[in-house]
Amino acid sequence: KAGVTQTPRYLIKTRGQQVTLSCSPISGHRSVSWYQQTPGQGLQFLFEYFSETQRNKGNFPGRFSGRQFSNSRSEMNVSTLELGDSALYLCASSPTQGYPGEKLFFGSGTQLSVL
Amino acid sequence: GIQVEQSPPDLILQEGANSTLRCNFSDSVNNLQWFHQNPWGQLINLFYIPSGTKQNGRLSATTVATERYSLLYISSSQTTDSGVYFCAVLNRDDKIIFGKGTRLHILP
Repeated sequence: KAGVTQTPRYLIKTRGQQVTLSCSPISGHRSVSWYQQTPGQGLQFLFEYFSETQRNKGNFPGRFSGRQFSNSRSEMNVSTLELGDSALYLCASSPTQGYPGEKLFFGSGTQLSVL
Repeated sequence: GIQVEQSPPDLILQEGANSTLRCNFSDSVNNLQWFHQNPWGQLINLFYIPSGTKQNGRLSATTVATERYSLLYISSSQTTDSGVYFCAVLNRDDKIIFGKGTRLHILP
């Protein structure tokens, strides 16, 4: 099985712009979650989707949003980018049992730099 | 909210040495996972271990949920074991909370 695929791998944006990141989960996985990793704050949970519904959300402003499609692929969007949004954004998928906190399988991440 | 503390923050060992990494959490959790992040940023799931003991080759993990801690043991370290080890727990609100990690350097 192919692993979790995230695109693009690297992204450079300027303040005020918006960005969309993509995540394709492992085939058959229905849960996709997103995380932000920075040197200062570490790994922080953004949100989780299961069967196209947002099941949980972390403590991030409304500029951070996401969605999941019927094929379980997910996108996250950050609008009005700020310098502090520079981070590694990681996506993870989980098997199909459907309960929160199942074993997570991570993609390689998207490194976002905001200038 | 729940606090997840990992120790030590940094560890430098010679190849072949053994190590024990610790994860303490401040409240009851629904599950616990250990991850290894390699130097290229890839997070690999090592163990899904809400309680008990599991072993996978040179690695093993033990979680004592009633005492709110988990241990990751690495035996006969190799340079490829270098990286950052994270534990993550699921809190009462079903949110994943990560510790700050233990950075491990294995010297050849």
